[in-house]
Amino acid sequence: DAGVIQSPRHEVTEMGQEVTLRCKPISGHNSLFWYRQTMMRGLELLIYFNNNVPIDDSGMPEDRFSAKMPNASFSTLKIQPSEPRDSAVYFCASSLDSMGELFFGSGTQLSVL
Amino acid sequence: AQTVTQSQPEMSVQEAETVTLSCTYDTSESDYYLFWYKQPPSRQMILVIRQEAYKQQNATENRFSVNFQKAAKSFSLKISDSQLGDAAMYFCAYRSNSGYALNFGKGTSLLVTP
Repeated sequence: DAGVIQSPRHEVTEMGQEVTLRCKPISGHNSLFWYRQTMMRGLELLIYFNNNVPIDDSGMPEDRFSAKMPNASFSTLKIQPSEPRDSAVYFCASSLDSMGELFFGSGTQLSVL
Repeated sequence: AQTVTQSQPEMSVQEAETVTLSCTYDTSESDYYLFWYKQPPSRQMILVIRQEAYKQQNATENRFSVNFQKAAKSFSLKISDSQLGDAAMYFCAYRSNSGYALNFGKGTSLLVTP
């Protein structure tokens, strides 16, 4: 398996623009997580899906952030409108089940100018 | 919420030497999991080692071992025979046995010198 695949690897955008980050989890994994990494706050859980259903979105910072998982092999994290403080590395991770080993993607480095 | 503290922002070790990275955590639970993740410059988070709280025996993975002190809520990582490829950020993480979220520490940057 190719592991968790995220795209794009880097994204540079201007304030106010819509940004969509994409994730393909490992085949057969039923749990998917989105994390955000910043220098100030470290790694924070944004949202957790189980069997494509959002279970916990308490970490989503505000309404500008939304995440979807239309099927078992694809998830998106959207920011609209983006702001400079959204600049961070966004990781997608998947696991076989909610308690299994977490496999991370390579992350998307987002820069909002 | 459980907190994870890594008190060493940076550490340095010479190649072939041994280094220990510290981690403490705060929890009122008795059953949980602890992890060490490595993040090299490539950015990918890689699981190094995992410890179940109910196991008294310290986990070991090749050159990596932990010193798990449950009463002290301490979970340090020892890297033996350090190699240049060990240079990375190392994150300690906690997960409740009844939960799914990993709580991460702020990380320790490990530099390995020749």
